[in-house]
Amino acid sequence: DVKVTQSSRYLVKRTGEKVFLECVQDMDHENMFWYRQDPGLGLRLIYFSYDVKMKEKGDIPEGYSVSREKKERFSLILESASTNQTSMYLCASSLLITGGRSYNSPLHFGNGTRLTVT
Amino acid sequence: AQTVTQSQPEMSVQEAETVTLSCTYDTSENNYYLFWYKQPPSRQMILVIRQEAYKQQNATENRFSVNFQKAAKSFSLKISDSQLGDTAMYFCAFATRNRDDKIIFGKGTRLHILP
Repeated sequence: DVKVTQSSRYLVKRTGEKVFLECVQDMDHENMFWYRQDPGLGLRLIYFSYDVKMKEKGDIPEGYSVSREKKERFSLILESASTNQTSMYLCASSLLITGGRSYNSPLHFGNGTRLTVT
Repeated sequence: AQTVTQSQPEMSVQEAETVTLSCTYDTSENNYYLFWYKQPPSRQMILVIRQEAYKQQNATENRFSVNFQKAAKSFSLKISDSQLGDTAMYFCAFATRNRDDKIIFGKGTRLHILP
């Protein structure tokens, strides 16, 4: 089974702090994603990556950056945390389908990190 | 813009009953995939079922089946003989190659299975 591990289940940070959320997957998946989940809004894509050192903006990238230095690890960075970034953050990975397209490849999720910014 | 709509924010059914969760989507594409994901209270999201748009036959996975109506752009999930372990948030999702491989999620339906 694919295992996607997020480093923290709960995190409390102060406004203005730099926050790192770490995600590691153990199945050699090419694709990795960061979502935030908020009640009534569902899942919204922040950033994704198809390869090492490669990143693409999702639907709500403002206030976030990412780093993918190794294939198995995808980090989400909040440069200066704000209270409106209080949320559940979900990391996911998926396999790159032959032909370079992965839209039909199922996502494998981590357990999530509930971040509170005070 | 492509959208996914789940019109039922919350539902409750008795154990052993059958329940149907609704999902509609909007797209001009012909080639796409549809998914149902389940997020139990422990929070790890898992894939329940997947449907390819070009396949006429509805996908089934044990007690879970879909009713895919391509013309109506509808993709409902039916859970038969519901169990307490089916209590979860359910997300409908849509993906097409013309969305840069990104999957679009609905806002979710919270399902409670009552003993």
